[in-house]
Amino acid sequence: GAVVSQHPSRVICKSGTSVKIECRSLDFQATTMFWYRQFPKKSLMLMATSNEGSKATYEQGVEKDKFLINHASLTLSTLTVTSAHPEDSSFYICSARGLSGGGSDTQYFGPGTRLTVL
Amino acid sequence: AQTVTQSQPEMSVQEAETVTLSCTYDTSESNYYLFWYKQPPSRQMILVIRQEAYKQQNATENRFSVNFQKAAKSFSLKISDSQLGDTAMYFCAFLNTNAGKSTFGDGTTLTVKP
Repeated sequence: GAVVSQHPSRVICKSGTSVKIECRSLDFQATTMFWYRQFPKKSLMLMATSNEGSKATYEQGVEKDKFLINHASLTLSTLTVTSAHPEDSSFYICSARGLSGGGSDTQYFGPGTRLTVL
Repeated sequence: AQTVTQSQPEMSVQEAETVTLSCTYDTSESNYYLFWYKQPPSRQMILVIRQEAYKQQNATENRFSVNFQKAAKSFSLKISDSQLGDTAMYFCAFLNTNAGKSTFGDGTTLTVKP
């Protein structure tokens, strides 16, 4: 149980285009979802936290208009990188927490999305 | 704000041996959770073990166990009978239930050598 999927796993796009990444909790209801960015061999950098039906809470320094987060249902959250630029190239990971075997305190992670902006 | 410190950026261990990864944290909260996550080369984050702060008994999951010292704010992970598949980056994480979001350490890269 407690599986989180993320799609796509890899995406390459041209500078100036927008990219949408989906995160789904497959076997539990995610009351809270998190989006992280990770650089090679580094820790996870929290970008934003979203609760179902509410606006996302962004961490300091993260541009809300550039990284649009929608948590429309208890099983789906999306991250849209708008007008992507090469500096947005990174590994993006979503995480979900909710009612699962681990309780509402355990975060489960998606497999990540590698974004490359040319 | 909570902080999580993993003082060992890299470690290595021989297959079948035991290794301990250290983690310390700083908080003024009394109710919280602690986690160890594993991130293998595939980069999928996998929950290894979970500990509730109010429980004195150390959590155990097969070959993985923790030494939770609440007063010292220490939460080390012991891996027994290390296997090649244990090669990964390990992250210690702290969750303040009031804050709702976790704080992660910088990670320890563990290499298991044959």
